[in-house]
Amino acid sequence: DTGVSQDPRHKITKRGQNVTFRCDPISEHNRLYWYRQTLGQGPEFLTYFQNEAQLEKSRLLSDRFSAERPKGSFSTLEIQRTEQGDSAMYLCASSLRNTEAFFGQGTRLTVV
Amino acid sequence: DQQVKQNSPSLSVQEGRISILNCDYTNSMFDYFLWYKKYPAEGPTFLISISSIKDKNEDGRFTVFLNKSAKHLSLHIVPSQPGDSAVYFCAASSTNNAGNMLTFGGGTRLMVKP
Repeated sequence: DTGVSQDPRHKITKRGQNVTFRCDPISEHNRLYWYRQTLGQGPEFLTYFQNEAQLEKSRLLSDRFSAERPKGSFSTLEIQRTEQGDSAMYLCASSLRNTEAFFGQGTRLTVV
Repeated sequence: DQQVKQNSPSLSVQEGRISILNCDYTNSMFDYFLWYKKYPAEGPTFLISISSIKDKNEDGRFTVFLNKSAKHLSLHIVPSQPGDSAVYFCAASSTNNAGNMLTFGGGTRLMVKP
């Protein structure tokens, strides 16, 4: 399978816990994006990387959210001190420069 | 401020007929537009795109039309098939913004009845 892979598919966590999600992009893609989708809405851009450089992070929802792509391959998105409002689908996408983005299947986070 | 809007939350069409999904945008800097299709519990799947230098792009049963003066685009599916039933998202980006960040509409749920 050469598509975008996300792990885990589902995560249930207690309020206040930290969670980390992983994304493996399509191997030759140099751009990697994180989006969040809540019920009934379209995906909302959070941040993006070109290779290992995080070039846009102003859309991260709060300072509890952080993302890394240490070697320009896989990426992680961490949410610290989770809140119930963080419950959503977290989507990762990858692309080559100036081409369409391909999405993974997402990680559904439920904060209880 | 919603820069990309899909005003119809749902659309029901008979199999074999045409489905027309609409999308409006407000940001005149957008110059690249895409449609994605999403099934439940899956990520969005790229369907078709159009650059602002064109007014039409066709791929099989799918055609996207762009009216820049009206800041409006539409997706036509002909003929519609039951397997087309999904949520369709319109998205837009500007090649001037770093990274081709996509701004999505809220989606239209298409139901194709056999």
